[in-house]
Amino acid sequence: GAVVSQHPSRVICKSGTSVKIECRSLDFQATTMFWYRQFPKQSLMLMATSNEGSKATYEQGVEKDKFLINHASLTLSTLTVTSAHPEDSSFYICSARDWSRGLGQPQHFGDGTRLSIL
Amino acid sequence: GDSVTQMEGPVTLSEEAFLTINCTYTATGYPSLFWYVQYPGEGLQLLLKATKADDKGSNKGFEATYRKETTSFHLEKGSVQVSDSAVYFCALAGNTPLVFGKGTRLSVIA
Repeated sequence: GAVVSQHPSRVICKSGTSVKIECRSLDFQATTMFWYRQFPKQSLMLMATSNEGSKATYEQGVEKDKFLINHASLTLSTLTVTSAHPEDSSFYICSARDWSRGLGQPQHFGDGTRLSIL
Repeated sequence: GDSVTQMEGPVTLSEEAFLTINCTYTATGYPSLFWYVQYPGEGLQLLLKATKADDKGSNKGFEATYRKETTSFHLEKGSVQVSDSAVYFCALAGNTPLVFGKGTRLSVIA
């Protein structure tokens, strides 16, 4: 069964709206979670690494004020797309790894959120 | 830095054909290697993994062997089905976020 739950699966909203996406690890504690963005027919682009209890680490070129990440607990990270515009429309995927099982473990992925900004 | 190179797609095969998707990697140390599959409109699912040299990962008829001497982790399946149509990603992991290949789109036609 799923070990990472992501919600909502699809969002359609007007330009200027802020959208929050939740990512939960279901049966392990995730001190670190990852947020990816995927454009149609392309690979995943890492946006940021979410760290429990501290600031997220953003990849180069990702606007931290546009994509707010909060990792308030060991099982929940949220990504908020602030004042979304049509160019923010994309497929967003979160991921987490169970570090308690050592290095080299797979990352488990949520089912993704398809964001469409009108 | 670490990197993964996988064959460009798309790959189109007839049902019951043999599948190979090539994947090679560059990494320091001894990373774990993975194949993920993404069905249309969905997130990524772990297909199989190998954690050390000569390990063979297998699942749902797919196999891949961790070849340290050739730094490869090619994905194979002896007889593909229409339901295998998806995008396949090769990835490696050390103590950093996964490094992905660009993905290979597979279409299987009846």
